[in-house]
Amino acid sequence: QKEVEQDPGPLSVPEGAIVSLNCTYSNSAFQYFMWYRQYSRKGPELLMYTYSSGNKEDGRFTAQVDKSSKYISLFIRDSQPSDSATYLCAMSAGSGNTGKLIFGQGTTLQVKP
Amino acid sequence: NAGVMQNPRHLVRRRGQEARLRCSPMKGHSHVYWYRQLPEEGLKFMVYLQKENIIDESGMPKERFSAEFPKEGPSILRIQQVVRGDSAAYFCASSPGLQNTGELFFGEGSRLTVL
Repeated sequence: QKEVEQDPGPLSVPEGAIVSLNCTYSNSAFQYFMWYRQYSRKGPELLMYTYSSGNKEDGRFTAQVDKSSKYISLFIRDSQPSDSATYLCAMSAGSGNTGKLIFGQGTTLQVKP
Repeated sequence: NAGVMQNPRHLVRRRGQEARLRCSPMKGHSHVYWYRQLPEEGLKFMVYLQKENIIDESGMPKERFSAEFPKEGPSILRIQQVVRGDSAAYFCASSPGLQNTGELFFGEGSRLTVL
């Protein structure tokens, strides 16, 4: 079993839809949770960053962490064609080498105009 | 306001040759990480370096792979005697290291193709 599970998709939605992306994990030591966006042939770009449980909102994006269920989510409201990319969840334990991120496989999202 | 700079962006090598990938971290960042992304897989941690020190190389293959971050100049990921299985995108990331909470800033990657 992988430490971080993420459905690779692809996920196709019409423009304006609400998108829900999810990851589950098994390591209860994870404290820092991130979502990265990666366009084709580009490097990952940090989108959202959350410490421990709770919600964080930034514009059209909302990140949720439920540590009791070991489940994190990213919601995208009013999705745009420019949101079409691969979304990677990542997490770290927050001690020692905190830059040692464990990534999910990534979910490919396509937003159709 | 340059981000993480990686070069070359694309590298083609024949089996048995050496590959050298370079990474300059963001200005003000002293911590460098290398990740590998194989086709259809997520990013995998390889190594974490600070200036002149390897801090964590738990993700590095035991043979043929090495990394350095000298006092002056970029970080180098070196792959000796490349094999086809080394074909992947190699990403460098950096962080300021003041409060190292896992926020990493990635470069555009170096895509290695082994013929």
